Amino acid sequence: GQQLNQSPQSMFIQEGEDVSMNCTSSSIFNTWLWYKQDPGEGPVLLIALYKAGELTSNGRLTAQFGITRKDSFLNISASIPSDVGIYFCAGQHPGNEKLTFGTGTRLTIIP
Amino acid sequence: GAVVSQHPSRVICKSGTSVKIECRSLDFQATTMFWYRQFPKKSLMLMATSNEGSKATYEQGVEKDKFLINHASLTLSTLTVTSAHPEDSSFYICSAAVSTDTQYFGPGTRLTVL
Repeated sequence: GQQLNQSPQSMFIQEGEDVSMNCTSSSIFNTWLWYKQDPGEGPVLLIALYKAGELTSNGRLTAQFGITRKDSFLNISASIPSDVGIYFCAGQHPGNEKLTFGTGTRLTIIP
Repeated sequence: GAVVSQHPSRVICKSGTSVKIECRSLDFQATTMFWYRQFPKKSLMLMATSNEGSKATYEQGVEKDKFLINHASLTLSTLTVTSAHPEDSSFYICSAAVSTDTQYFGPGTRLTVL
């Protein structure tokens, strides 16, 4: 099935650093979602974006819905150990309940 | 709110046997449930969409006779992997939603077929 291009594939950072990851698509979405998945668990919704250009924050997390509706980014400020995990973007087409997931970004914090 | 559970969390079975995985929405009624499969270090791939009281819609390449889905109520959907083989070993995750709204994911079921 289709997957969204997500970059970077992995990140190794030190605690306290800021993180940025993005997701691009060849098709338009009307909803962009960002999830975090811990090992052996299901994804947990972090931020939902519903309008082109929308910028939304959730604590240290900020995400934006690209103007073209074909991309989105997620920023994490001042990373902490519990931010470790895999981050997935997901897009939802207009009038379609199905989600298309990105390839994931694995975040590791170096002690 | 919006809690989705899965049972079992882990299952190990012999090749050729069938395994049933349950997905429940605990505090809301889900009009639609989705089943995903995730291989190690890979993304979630949608297998099928299930609406209460109707037949599931399978994604291209997913065998409907091998992955039987039953959605008998607004809070329960089951996935049965029939005649499981080692290549069916994977992490199976369900999600539940009200119409086209936000999907809430279950904790996943790790299936290992020996």
